Amino acid sequence: AQTVTQSQPEMSVQEAETVTLSCTYDTSENNYYLFWYKQPPSRQMILVIRQEAYKQQNATENRFSVNFQKAAKSFSLKISDSQLGDTAMYFCAFILFNNNDMRFGAGTRLTVKP
Amino acid sequence: GAVVSQHPSWVICKSGTSVKIECRSLDFQATTMFWYRQFPKQSLMLMATSNEGSKATYEQGVEKDKFLINHASLTLSTLTVTSAHPEDSSFYICSASQGTFPYEQYFGPGTRLTVT
Repeated sequence: AQTVTQSQPEMSVQEAETVTLSCTYDTSENNYYLFWYKQPPSRQMILVIRQEAYKQQNATENRFSVNFQKAAKSFSLKISDSQLGDTAMYFCAFILFNNNDMRFGAGTRLTVKP
Repeated sequence: GAVVSQHPSWVICKSGTSVKIECRSLDFQATTMFWYRQFPKQSLMLMATSNEGSKATYEQGVEKDKFLINHASLTLSTLTVTSAHPEDSSFYICSASQGTFPYEQYFGPGTRLTVT
């Protein structure tokens, strides 16, 4: 069974600074996808970034980037130039290739302080 | 694109009654829809997966007779909580997938259910 672990229940960062959220996962499969979702106070889940396991290049979306270490089964999210609107719960998620079953980590509550 | 709506956004019902939550994919066909439950400050817990025209597949520990799921079309799935009890109070989130690469799920805004 696939598991996703987020070891940081809460984090905080000053506005304009950089923060990294950790995520590790466990699988014996080779083809899969990883996601970071953001859940702001509105509770609407928003996709932040996606990484295909077969791609060695780390995904980047504007201020958001990942450090994908396949051998270590690690998938961290870096938020640069943090903004107040980044305050939210962040969930790391895993899905096998050709499979609909998405597994979520426990989440990290990020607070951006002015 | 890829918008999913849920209705109602919040509902209060009395213990013993049933309540139906709708999940619609507005601008794409969803071959698969998912229903999650989220307790305060916790992660999403998958309740069931449904494919259009097929019976839903429930996760272990989820009572299928209590949480009735119908995926009648490629754009609509419903979750009916039957004989609701206060412990069913929670935040319910649906998501939809087109069933193709990259198997991304698009989430609805959620429904807060309070059973009194």
